[in-house]
Amino acid sequence: KNEVEQSPQNLTAQEGEFITINCSYSVGISALHWLQQHPGGGIVSLFMLSSGKKKHGRLIATINIQEKHSSLHITASHPRDSAVYICAVNTGTASKLTFGTGTRLQVTL
Amino acid sequence: DGGITQSPKYLFRKEGQNVTLSCEQNLNHDAMYWYRQDPGQGLRLIYYSQIVNDFQKGDIAEGYSVSREKKESFPLTVTSAQKNPTAFYLCASSRQGALGANVLTFGAGSRLTVL
Repeated sequence: KNEVEQSPQNLTAQEGEFITINCSYSVGISALHWLQQHPGGGIVSLFMLSSGKKKHGRLIATINIQEKHSSLHITASHPRDSAVYICAVNTGTASKLTFGTGTRLQVTL
Repeated sequence: DGGITQSPKYLFRKEGQNVTLSCEQNLNHDAMYWYRQDPGQGLRLIYYSQIVNDFQKGDIAEGYSVSREKKESFPLTVTSAQKNPTAFYLCASSRQGALGANVLTFGAGSRLTVL
């Protein structure tokens, strides 16, 4: 069993829909990251959080430390949100990031 | 604008050849990292460096080598000893190198194909 599990693996949504991507982990962590990878391959860091909730524009990330679970929500989805969303956890120093395999999101018109 | 520049974006290599992937950052970050990405798998850490002239092996360092002679630069050499080098390679950096979680900044990646 992977230490970081994401669901769903693939997600197709219509423009305007509310989207939720889930991440569960099985180890103690100091922080959890949500990353976005566009088709060209470059990765952008969206959030780093260790408790509660963070919001940036249409993106919201939440984490429940007790349940070892995090969610990434996208409100009013748009085709430009189409990307792979990756969850990663810090299990120690900054060098020790464990990554999920990603959720591929396709938003259609 | 500050950021990380990786080159080349695409690279083809014949079996038995060493190749070097470049990674340069102008963010004044102390720590730099190399990750490998394969289809259906999460990113895996190859090497990381927290300060100049020092680096540590990650989870899959065999067949790779690095150097950190300057703060801005962290090149990765894929040697002929790496049995399955075809992959997408990502360089990243972060502000602090020692302890604690930090936001990573990633480069655009280099795709290596062995012919």
